Order: sequence, then C-alpha cells, then structure tokens
Amino acid sequence: QQQVKQSPQSLIVQKGGISIINCAYENTAFDYFPWYQQFPGKGPALLIAIRPDVSEKKEGRFTISFNKSAKQFSLHIMDSQPGDSATYFCAASKSSGATNKLIFGTGTLLAVQP
Amino acid sequence: ETGVTQSPTHLIKTRGQQVTLRCSSQSGHNTVSWYQQALGQGPQFIFQYYREEENGRGNFPPRFSGLQFPNYSSELNVNALELDDSALYLCASSLPGSGVELFFGSGTQLSVL
Repeated sequence: QQQVKQSPQSLIVQKGGISIINCAYENTAFDYFPWYQQFPGKGPALLIAIRPDVSEKKEGRFTISFNKSAKQFSLHIMDSQPGDSATYFCAASKSSGATNKLIFGTGTLLAVQP
Repeated sequence: ETGVTQSPTHLIKTRGQQVTLRCSSQSGHNTVSWYQQALGQGPQFIFQYYREEENGRGNFPPRFSGLQFPNYSSELNVNALELDDSALYLCASSLPGSGVELFFGSGTQLSVL
C-alpha cells in the first residue's frame, strides 16, 4: 500500500511536443503529491505539487492532473524543450504525519529532441 | 539564503568499513531527512530528524544512524558497509510547518568496493 507506480520508464519527445508521465498510488491516506525533476549529478528539485482537493494545477508549462477516484495523477509538460531533458519522479505523502516521508516512484527519463 | 549542502560529493569505501556523510540545512529549516537513491531508482526514505531527535524511520537496518546538531546540520553514519549500500545519499531539509515540501542537496555518491 506504500508504493507509487510510475510510467513510462523512459520517454522521447520532440521539441514543442507534450510530455506526459503517469503515476498511481494505493494508500488513500496520501494527501500531498509532488513532482520532482532531477538532472545528472544533482538532487531532486521540487517542480510542482498538488493536494487532492483540486483536480488540476498549472504552473507555467507544467500541469498536474489528479484523479482521486482512480488514485492516479499525471504530469504534463507543454511545449517541451531540450532543457527539460531530465529524470522526473512523482511522489506521495501524508502531510499530516509527524514525518515528512515521501514515497517516490521509480522515475521517468525524459529526452526532448531538438 | 544558502541551499542544502552535502559533503563529501563522492566517497569510495570498502566492505565492512564505516562512513559519515554530512549535511547543512537550508537557512531556517529545522527538519532534516535522509534518502538513499540506488542507480535508476527513486529515493528511499532512511530517517528524519527534528529538534535533534529521530522522529521517523524507513525500512533500513540499525547500522544506519544519524545525528542532528543544534544548528540543524546533520550526519548520516553507516556501519559495516555492504556492497548494496553503494548509492547516492540525499539530504533534504524543510521549513517548520511546511508539511512535506522538501529541499534536497546534490547528494553524496558512495561506492562500496
């Protein structure tokens, strides 16, 4: 029940295209769903996050879509750029707990071709 | 405002040795978490420290231990190193009351031979 399943494992998108990464979770107690971006040799950096009281959140070219009944959420990157090439991780957590423990997906390696 | 800094950036140890990794929190952050990221995997939660005490632990054996100091900096200690301990070790800090918004350092790449 603690797993977060992420797909696809890797993704190749042309410059200007839309990148879509999907995640699914089982624990209904999760109430915080962030996406992290990680470049080689760096730690993960928070990209965007959503809580289950909304179905969509948009920040610039990045959008999270959240489906509470299906226990799924996805990251959409519009107008993908070569600089977006990185590994993306979804994660989930119970924000009300004493521990800031994030459960991460296995990651998606995105390559945006020029 | 400085970010989360970790040292060293790279480390090579042999099986059975002990290692200490260090982390300086982002300014004003009083909660520190440590994560292990194996090659090609997502980070896995090791433990969290708040007010110099461990207040949460993942599925890691007792040979993984830590400390948090009054200035909120932290150490991760691993005893009796095993080959499978080879990974990127990430430190993350967070603001009081921010829930789970974590700010990660660049990590320490540990290789156990």
